Amino acid sequence: EAEVAQSPRYKITEKSQAVAFWCDPISGHATLYWYRQILGQGPELLVQFQDESVVDDSQLPKDRFSAERLKGVDSTLKIQPAELGDSAMYLCASSLEDTEAFFGQGTRLTVV
Amino acid sequence: QKEVEQDPGPLSVPEGAIVSLNCTYSNSAFQYFMWYRQYSRKGPELLMYTYSSGNKEDGRFTAQVDKSSKYISLFIRDSQPSDSATYLCAMSAGNYGQNFVFGPGTRLSVLP
Repeated sequence: EAEVAQSPRYKITEKSQAVAFWCDPISGHATLYWYRQILGQGPELLVQFQDESVVDDSQLPKDRFSAERLKGVDSTLKIQPAELGDSAMYLCASSLEDTEAFFGQGTRLTVV
Repeated sequence: QKEVEQDPGPLSVPEGAIVSLNCTYSNSAFQYFMWYRQYSRKGPELLMYTYSSGNKEDGRFTAQVDKSSKYISLFIRDSQPSDSATYLCAMSAGNYGQNFVFGPGTRLSVLP
């Protein structure tokens, strides 16, 4: 069964360090999303790609976060420098056009 | 007021009970509605996907959408301990570039 792949599953980093997450969407899914989920809350969108183009990054803290999807397939989300408040689950999802979104298992980030 | 409201629970029911989970929303442009199940430390798993108003049934799960009241529900019949998880509602306007907006999730515990 096709699924969204994310790595790493867990990451512990010290504040002020750089950290990167990788996502490989379901084959053929042009739309890719990065969400952040704080414990006890629903996912909140950070950035949305349509192919290699950014559609919505209005909630992405651009002073420290960056995202790219250079060939319109897999994607990388980077945080530099990491802050204590960045500790959360980072979820990648993909969808075919604007139909339902399928999520990966997420990367749980702990900043110490 | 948040765009999507959901009772955070926690909700505890005995095994075999019928469970009703609900979300309300404010954006009348939403026309695609989804329910996700999320186990602890895992990514959300798509359970149900419906378009516009009406009912949809899949095994023990029934999703209802009432666009006139801006209210959606998920019913779980014959609930099982394995149904214990957080249930997230999500919705989208379905237009190009419109992302999915999530509720905060309801924690459900089904007691054996």
